[in-house]
Amino acid sequence: GDSVTQMEGPVTLSEEAFLTINCTYTATGYPSLFWYVQYPGEGLQLLLKATKADDKGSNKGFEATYRKETTSFHLEKGSVQVSDSAVYFCALGNFGNEKLTFGTGTRLTIIP
Amino acid sequence: NAGVMQNPRHLVRRRGQEARLRCSPMKGHSHVYWYRQLPEEGLKFMVYLQKENIIDESGMPKERFSAEFPKEGPSILRIQQVVRGDSAAYFCASSLTDKTEAFFGQGTRLTVV
Repeated sequence: GDSVTQMEGPVTLSEEAFLTINCTYTATGYPSLFWYVQYPGEGLQLLLKATKADDKGSNKGFEATYRKETTSFHLEKGSVQVSDSAVYFCALGNFGNEKLTFGTGTRLTIIP
Repeated sequence: NAGVMQNPRHLVRRRGQEARLRCSPMKGHSHVYWYRQLPEEGLKFMVYLQKENIIDESGMPKERFSAEFPKEGPSILRIQQVVRGDSAAYFCASSLTDKTEAFFGQGTRLTVV
């Protein structure tokens, strides 16, 4: 079945550091790929997505590129801020919104 | 426009009791999804509902679990005769259609003692 493997956390970085959170997947067909973020005390929010190979999703300075050859969708940001502290979830979906498959989440803490 | 509201945020139940988790979707949303996150695991799909209909319940345990989304009122996830293994975070999401962005609630953390 489908699965998503995420970089284990927690991850602690200093402000303005470069961020990479690794995500790899196994899936049948050609899934869409997503990154969700959960800020403290809030629900999950869609951060970015990509629907086909070589697509790049981007939002709020975060980027991720759909790499079919390496089955990866790594999240990157060039200069993180304290406000980026949150839990990040990688996910894939084959049918629209139903049956999204999530990774375990990576807790990111940014220190000033 | 309020987001997806789940309540309670935290629920403690003794083994054998019933747990009822509520989810009020965003205004105008008629598609609701429930996910469960067991400790140290990712969110797992449980059930997909539209108003008064269960569309896909392939992720729901066959026994003790049920879900509904009535014409009026919130969606309810009901767990009968809870066991320790039901302790988890339960997330609800809603969307306008099955192809548009799903918005998630804050989750209900169920602890069975």
